Amino acid sequence: DGGITQSPKYLFRKEGQNVTLSCEQNLNHDAMYWYRQDPGQGLRLIYYSQIVNDFQKGDIAEGYSVSREKKESFPLTVTSAQKNPTAFYLCASSGGGRIQPQHFGDGTRLSIL
Amino acid sequence: AQSVAQPEDQVNVAEGNPLTVKCTYSVSGNPYLFWYVQYPNRGLQFLLKYITGDNLVKGSYGFEAEFNKSQTSFHLKKPSALVSDSALYFCAVRPDAGNNRKLIWGLGTSLAVNP
Repeated sequence: DGGITQSPKYLFRKEGQNVTLSCEQNLNHDAMYWYRQDPGQGLRLIYYSQIVNDFQKGDIAEGYSVSREKKESFPLTVTSAQKNPTAFYLCASSGGGRIQPQHFGDGTRLSIL
Repeated sequence: AQSVAQPEDQVNVAEGNPLTVKCTYSVSGNPYLFWYVQYPNRGLQFLLKYITGDNLVKGSYGFEAEFNKSQTSFHLKKPSALVSDSALYFCAVRPDAGNNRKLIWGLGTSLAVNP
């Protein structure tokens, strides 16, 4: 079945540590997105990429970095510069053509040790 | 500024009763509107979208939504609620029909359907 796989489901970060969240899709979608979800704040866009080897900052990119070396993969690194990383992180993708919805993975919950 | 508002943080309905989850938007031009549902500790699932045409859009799981251009609203509805409909619902709008596929999201409405 086609879909988006996020791993791990739960992740713990120590002080000063960078951690990387994985996002893989087999939907052949061009665009991929990373969101952060905090209670009561909805979804906030961290980074998005509309083609391979290109990505743009979203609304809250500080303390995060991404790469898009392959169409299928869009990993997110939460750096030590992100002082409040505890959140639920969601990856999404969307196809081209007529207005298409975004498809979501099941998220990674990141906590600080 | 372009925005989406979901004026109710929580909606409570009895099982079998009709439900409405409200969404209003403020964007320039013709909007493209979406509804998603999220169950606990899961990603969002797409329910339905409005692009153009008939103002009443039918989607998954018996949900429908009515687009009202004059009131800039896109309310989600279901004729008869189920307990399993209890979840978090998000409205989103894509203001740009071009290459920019970013969505503007509402803050979500928690729906509780009581047995």
